[in-house]
Amino acid sequence: QKEVEQNSGPLSVPEGAIASLNCTYSDRVSQSFFWYRQYSGKSPELIMSIYSNGDKEDGRFTAQLNKASQYVSLLIRDSQPSDSATYLCAVKIGGSNYKLTFGKGTLLTVNP
Amino acid sequence: GAGVSQSPSNKVTEKGKDVELRCDPISGHTALYWYRQSLGQGLEFLIYFQGNSAPDKSGLPSDRFSAERTGGSVSTLTIQRTQQEDSAVYLCASSLTNEKLFFGSGTQLSVL
Repeated sequence: QKEVEQNSGPLSVPEGAIASLNCTYSDRVSQSFFWYRQYSGKSPELIMSIYSNGDKEDGRFTAQLNKASQYVSLLIRDSQPSDSATYLCAVKIGGSNYKLTFGKGTLLTVNP
Repeated sequence: GAGVSQSPSNKVTEKGKDVELRCDPISGHTALYWYRQSLGQGLEFLIYFQGNSAPDKSGLPSDRFSAERTGGSVSTLTIQRTQQEDSAVYLCASSLTNEKLFFGSGTQLSVL
Protein backbone atom coordinates (compact mmCIF):
# COMPACT_ATOMS: atom_id res chain seq x y z
CA GLN A 1 0.00 0.00 0.00
CA LYS A 2 1.32 3.40 -0.97
CA GLU A 3 1.84 5.83 1.89
CA VAL A 4 -0.40 8.56 0.46
CA GLU A 5 -3.03 7.71 -2.14
CA GLN A 6 -5.24 9.90 -4.27
CA ASN A 7 -7.49 9.27 -7.23
CA SER A 8 -5.58 10.59 -10.22
CA GLY A 9 -8.73 11.84 -11.90
CA PRO A 10 -9.37 13.75 -13.92
CA LEU A 11 -12.23 15.10 -11.87
CA SER A 12 -14.48 17.31 -13.92
CA VAL A 13 -17.09 19.59 -12.34
CA PRO A 14 -19.23 22.43 -13.71
CA GLU A 15 -18.58 25.99 -12.60
CA GLY A 16 -20.33 26.74 -9.33
CA ALA A 17 -20.42 23.13 -8.16
CA ILE A 18 -18.64 21.59 -5.18
CA ALA A 19 -15.45 19.71 -5.99
CA SER A 20 -14.52 16.93 -3.58
CA LEU A 21 -10.94 15.65 -3.51
CA ASN A 22 -9.97 12.66 -1.42
CA CYS A 23 -6.78 11.26 0.08
CA THR A 24 -5.95 8.26 2.24
CA TYR A 25 -2.74 7.60 4.11
CA SER A 26 -1.21 4.49 5.59
CA ASP A 27 0.60 5.68 8.73
CA ARG A 28 -1.66 5.89 11.79
CA VAL A 29 0.73 8.12 13.72
CA SER A 30 0.64 10.91 11.12
CA GLN A 31 -0.41 14.21 12.66
CA SER A 32 0.05 16.85 9.96
CA PHE A 33 -1.81 17.04 6.66
CA PHE A 34 -1.60 19.48 3.79
CA TRP A 35 -3.19 20.29 0.46
CA TYR A 36 -1.05 21.86 -2.25
CA ARG A 37 -2.32 23.18 -5.56
CA GLN A 38 -0.19 22.88 -8.67
CA TYR A 39 -1.12 24.65 -11.88
CA SER A 40 0.14 23.09 -15.08
CA GLY A 41 3.83 23.86 -15.54
CA LYS A 42 4.06 25.62 -12.20
CA SER A 43 5.31 24.69 -8.76
CA PRO A 44 3.07 23.57 -5.87
CA GLU A 45 1.65 26.11 -3.45
CA LEU A 46 0.12 25.44 -0.06
CA ILE A 47 -3.60 26.10 0.20
CA MET A 48 -4.65 24.28 3.39
CA SER A 49 -3.19 22.56 6.41
CA ILE A 50 -5.10 20.52 9.00
CA TYR A 51 -3.98 18.81 12.18
CA SER A 52 -7.14 17.90 14.14
CA ASN A 53 -10.12 15.74 13.34
CA GLY A 54 -13.03 17.60 11.83
CA ASP A 55 -13.39 20.43 9.37
CA LYS A 56 -11.26 23.48 8.75
CA GLU A 57 -12.64 26.21 6.52
CA ASP A 58 -10.77 28.92 4.64
CA GLY A 59 -12.86 30.87 2.18
CA ARG A 60 -14.21 28.50 -0.45
CA PHE A 61 -11.95 25.68 0.76
CA THR A 62 -12.75 23.17 3.50
CA ALA A 63 -10.33 20.51 4.63
CA GLN A 64 -11.73 17.49 6.45
CA LEU A 65 -9.72 15.05 8.54
CA ASN A 66 -10.70 11.68 9.96
CA LYS A 67 -7.70 10.07 11.65
CA ALA A 68 -9.62 6.92 12.58
CA SER A 69 -10.32 6.26 8.92
CA GLN A 70 -6.94 7.68 7.83
CA TYR A 71 -8.71 9.94 5.41
CA VAL A 72 -8.35 13.59 4.51
CA SER A 73 -10.37 15.50 1.95
CA LEU A 74 -10.61 18.92 0.37
CA LEU A 75 -13.88 20.50 -0.66
CA ILE A 76 -13.96 23.46 -3.01
CA ARG A 77 -17.26 25.30 -2.98
CA ASP A 78 -18.48 27.44 -5.87
CA SER A 79 -15.76 26.01 -8.10
CA GLN A 80 -14.27 28.41 -10.63
CA PRO A 81 -12.38 27.69 -13.85
CA SER A 82 -9.34 29.21 -12.10
CA ASP A 83 -9.47 26.29 -9.65
CA SER A 84 -8.53 23.92 -12.49
CA ALA A 85 -5.23 22.43 -11.35
CA THR A 86 -3.69 19.33 -9.82
CA TYR A 87 -4.28 19.05 -6.09
CA LEU A 88 -1.60 17.29 -4.08
CA CYS A 89 -2.25 15.72 -0.71
CA ALA A 90 0.80 15.71 1.56
CA VAL A 91 1.32 14.02 4.92
CA LYS A 92 4.10 14.04 7.45
CA ILE A 93 4.62 10.29 7.67
CA GLY A 94 6.22 8.37 10.52
CA GLY A 95 6.03 11.14 13.07
CA SER A 96 8.50 13.26 11.11
CA ASN A 97 8.32 16.96 11.88
CA TYR A 98 9.66 17.94 8.47
CA LYS A 99 9.42 15.22 5.81
CA LEU A 100 6.37 15.57 3.59
CA THR A 101 5.19 12.57 1.60
CA PHE A 102 3.03 13.54 -1.36
CA GLY A 103 0.32 11.69 -3.22
CA LYS A 104 0.39 11.68 -7.01
CA GLY A 105 -2.29 14.33 -7.13
CA THR A 106 -5.80 14.67 -8.53
CA LEU A 107 -6.33 16.70 -11.69
CA LEU A 108 -9.39 18.92 -11.33
CA THR A 109 -11.06 20.58 -14.29
CA VAL A 110 -13.80 23.14 -13.70
CA ASN A 111 -15.89 23.66 -16.82
CA PRO A 112 -17.41 27.09 -17.49
CA GLY B 1 14.68 37.91 -4.10
CA ALA B 2 11.18 37.40 -2.83
CA GLY B 3 10.90 33.71 -3.62
CA VAL B 4 12.92 30.54 -4.02
CA SER B 5 15.14 30.81 -7.04
CA GLN B 6 16.33 27.80 -9.03
CA SER B 7 18.73 27.60 -11.92
CA PRO B 8 18.88 26.59 -14.63
CA SER B 9 15.20 26.39 -15.46
CA ASN B 10 15.94 23.81 -18.14
CA LYS B 11 18.89 21.51 -18.58
CA VAL B 12 19.46 19.09 -21.43
CA THR B 13 22.40 16.76 -21.03
CA GLU B 14 23.80 13.61 -22.50
CA LYS B 15 23.73 10.32 -20.68
CA GLY B 16 26.84 9.91 -18.56
CA LYS B 17 27.46 13.62 -18.01
CA ASP B 18 27.37 15.32 -14.61
CA VAL B 19 24.90 18.11 -13.85
CA GLU B 20 24.60 20.69 -11.09
CA LEU B 21 21.30 22.24 -10.08
CA ARG B 22 21.20 25.33 -7.90
CA CYS B 23 18.69 26.57 -5.34
CA ASP B 24 18.67 29.94 -3.61
CA PRO B 25 16.10 29.82 -0.78
CA ILE B 26 14.07 32.62 0.70
CA SER B 27 16.28 34.73 2.95
CA GLY B 28 16.02 33.63 6.56
CA HIS B 29 14.52 30.21 5.83
CA THR B 30 16.57 27.65 7.69
CA ALA B 31 14.96 24.56 6.15
CA LEU B 32 15.66 23.56 2.57
CA TYR B 33 14.24 20.58 0.68
CA TRP B 34 14.89 18.95 -2.68
CA TYR B 35 12.09 16.98 -4.33
CA ARG B 36 11.86 15.29 -7.71
CA GLN B 37 8.71 15.13 -9.82
CA SER B 38 8.59 12.70 -12.72
CA LEU B 39 5.84 12.75 -15.34
CA GLY B 40 2.61 11.52 -13.81
CA GLN B 41 4.24 10.94 -10.44
CA GLY B 42 3.98 12.66 -7.12
CA LEU B 43 6.77 14.60 -5.56
CA GLU B 44 9.57 12.33 -4.37
CA PHE B 45 11.57 13.50 -1.36
CA LEU B 46 15.32 13.62 -1.98
CA ILE B 47 17.09 15.51 0.81
CA TYR B 48 16.47 17.93 3.68
CA PHE B 49 18.76 20.53 5.24
CA GLN B 50 18.06 22.31 8.52
CA GLY B 51 20.50 24.95 9.68
CA ASN B 52 23.84 23.44 10.60
CA SER B 53 22.41 19.98 11.35
CA ALA B 54 23.40 16.92 9.37
CA PRO B 55 21.13 16.63 6.33
CA ASP B 56 18.54 13.88 5.91
CA LYS B 57 19.75 12.18 2.74
CA SER B 58 17.38 9.23 3.00
CA GLY B 59 15.58 10.02 -0.25
CA LEU B 60 18.59 10.17 -2.55
CA PRO B 61 18.00 7.36 -5.06
CA SER B 62 21.63 6.37 -5.59
CA ASP B 63 25.18 7.37 -4.77
CA ARG B 64 25.25 9.31 -8.03
CA PHE B 65 23.19 11.97 -6.27
CA SER B 66 24.66 14.37 -3.75
CA ALA B 67 23.76 17.76 -2.37
CA GLU B 68 25.36 20.42 -0.29
CA ARG B 69 24.27 23.64 1.31
CA THR B 70 26.88 26.30 1.82
CA GLY B 71 26.65 28.85 4.59
CA GLY B 72 23.14 27.77 5.43
CA SER B 73 21.83 29.37 2.25
CA VAL B 74 22.41 28.30 -1.36
CA SER B 75 22.18 24.60 -2.13
CA THR B 76 23.52 22.59 -5.05
CA LEU B 77 22.19 19.20 -6.12
CA THR B 78 24.71 17.24 -8.18
CA ILE B 79 23.90 14.23 -10.30
CA GLN B 80 26.91 12.31 -11.59
CA ARG B 81 26.89 10.07 -14.65
CA THR B 82 23.32 10.97 -15.50
CA GLN B 83 20.92 8.29 -16.72
CA GLN B 84 17.73 8.65 -18.72
CA GLU B 85 15.66 7.73 -15.65
CA ASP B 86 17.02 10.86 -13.97
CA SER B 87 14.90 12.97 -16.34
CA ALA B 88 12.40 14.87 -14.18
CA VAL B 89 11.61 18.24 -12.68
CA TYR B 90 13.78 18.92 -9.66
CA LEU B 91 12.05 21.17 -7.17
CA CYS B 92 13.64 23.02 -4.30
CA ALA B 93 11.61 24.36 -1.39
CA SER B 94 12.46 26.38 1.68
CA SER B 95 10.60 26.91 4.92
CA LEU B 96 10.82 28.77 8.18
CA THR B 97 8.67 26.40 10.20
CA ASN B 98 8.45 23.10 8.23
CA GLU B 99 4.69 23.70 8.12
CA LYS B 100 4.58 25.67 4.89
CA LEU B 101 6.96 24.92 2.06
CA PHE B 102 7.69 27.54 -0.56
CA PHE B 103 8.69 25.93 -3.82
CA GLY B 104 10.89 27.28 -6.55
CA SER B 105 9.89 27.02 -10.19
CA GLY B 106 12.04 23.93 -10.65
CA THR B 107 14.68 22.69 -13.04
CA GLN B 108 13.46 20.52 -15.90
CA LEU B 109 16.23 17.99 -16.49
CA SER B 110 16.27 16.01 -19.72
CA VAL B 111 18.86 13.28 -20.18
CA LEU B 112 19.26 12.18 -23.79
